[in-house]
Amino acid sequence: EAQVTQNPRYLITVTGKKLTVTCSQNMNHEYMSWYRQDPGLGLRQIYYSMNVEVTDKGDVPEGYKVSRKEKRNFPLILESPSPNQTSLYFCASSSNYPNTGELFFGEGSRLTVL
Amino acid sequence: GEDVEQSLFLSVREGDSSVINCTYTDSSSTYLYWYKQEPGAGLQLLTYIFSNMDMKQDQRLTVLLNKKDKHLSLRIADTQTGDSAIYFCADAQGGKLIFGQGTELSVKP
Repeated sequence: EAQVTQNPRYLITVTGKKLTVTCSQNMNHEYMSWYRQDPGLGLRQIYYSMNVEVTDKGDVPEGYKVSRKEKRNFPLILESPSPNQTSLYFCASSSNYPNTGELFFGEGSRLTVL
Repeated sequence: GEDVEQSLFLSVREGDSSVINCTYTDSSSTYLYWYKQEPGAGLQLLTYIFSNMDMKQDQRLTVLLNKKDKHLSLRIADTQTGDSAIYFCADAQGGKLIFGQGTELSVKP
């Protein structure tokens, strides 16, 4: 089954404790991206990657890092999480972006930073 | 920067038509999209329209695009309780999608 898999789905952590949210897709997509979803703000892009070893900042990259060492994986790293990073995070991938914009989304990772 | 705006809530009765509206600012948009997010799930592409089209129909869904006013709408005919979800419009700009805030559609039986 074609899918984007994120882990963990739910996480509660404390300020300053490094964490990684993993994302993996099995569709051989070149493009991958991370978004955060906050009430009233919609989805905002954190980082994206057009292919292996190519990553770029989105609209809200501060406090986040990413890597793209393999085509299928695109982990999101929070080196020192803060409460303002409490949010719902989505990973997405696409094979034909941006021409059709058909992004395939993971089910989301709800992160709470205390 | 470029912006995409939607109203946050819409409530309709089952069987009625729903119209979800969106405005955008980028005059160079080539594609505009509608995504649906069901509770506890990620977004799924519902439909899209190319900027040289005025209308696109797909079963119960009708997308209308007014380029002059930079206005996009999604009409859902015969709305069902299963249509309850958050609907996002999105605009492809410079290699990325800019999403609106999302409209939460509530369908009452």
